[in-house]
Amino acid sequence: AQSVTQLGSHVSVSEGALVLLRCNYSSSVPPYLFWYVQYPNQGLQLLLKYTSAATLVKGINGFEAEFKKSETSFHLTKPSAHMSDAAEYFCAVSEGSNDYKLSFGAGTTVTVRA
Amino acid sequence: DAGVTQSPTHLIKTRGQQVTLRCSPKSGHDTVSWYQQALGQGPQFIFQYYEEEERQRGNFPDRFSGHQFPNYSSELNVNALLLGDSALYLCASSFLGRDGYTFGSGTRLTVV
Repeated sequence: AQSVTQLGSHVSVSEGALVLLRCNYSSSVPPYLFWYVQYPNQGLQLLLKYTSAATLVKGINGFEAEFKKSETSFHLTKPSAHMSDAAEYFCAVSEGSNDYKLSFGAGTTVTVRA
Repeated sequence: DAGVTQSPTHLIKTRGQQVTLRCSPKSGHDTVSWYQQALGQGPQFIFQYYEEEERQRGNFPDRFSGHQFPNYSSELNVNALLLGDSALYLCASSFLGRDGYTFGSGTRLTVV
């Protein structure tokens, strides 16, 4: 069975600073990995996904993530934070094949300071 | 192009009642999944429907049931509501159930 651990439930960054959100996963097979963002009172929006192609994945809004198999990690980064990045971020894993569900981490809330 | 549409947006029910939530998938999508998101937590997978059949189910009791119609829309039914069923219920659609999902804005269910 797969699982996801997001390190840090809250992250506070200054506007213009690096955003780094950590995600570690466990999976018995090569996983599909996703990052989603959720704004207050809204559903989840896909930021980016890894599906066994390039290990460095670029997403929307300037975000990117790197799949590191040796570290079982899929950390999300953005070089320069913007006020509009304040939201909750979820890492999710799917084992693909005959497993269609997404298993989500507990989420990381990002606050951006002016 | 409409994304995933869920209705209603908010709902208040009494313990023991039954509720039906509805979802219309994104155009071109044929698979619908349902998730429960309790306050302050990540979404939990309830089940997925494909070709009008439940294809995969998470760790939810039989009080949670669903249906998919020929036009790919779906319903989530919850019987004998408990206070603990209060949550945001998210519908997600995809094509063939792979490669990323498009989520709706959810239905906020409050059980009193």
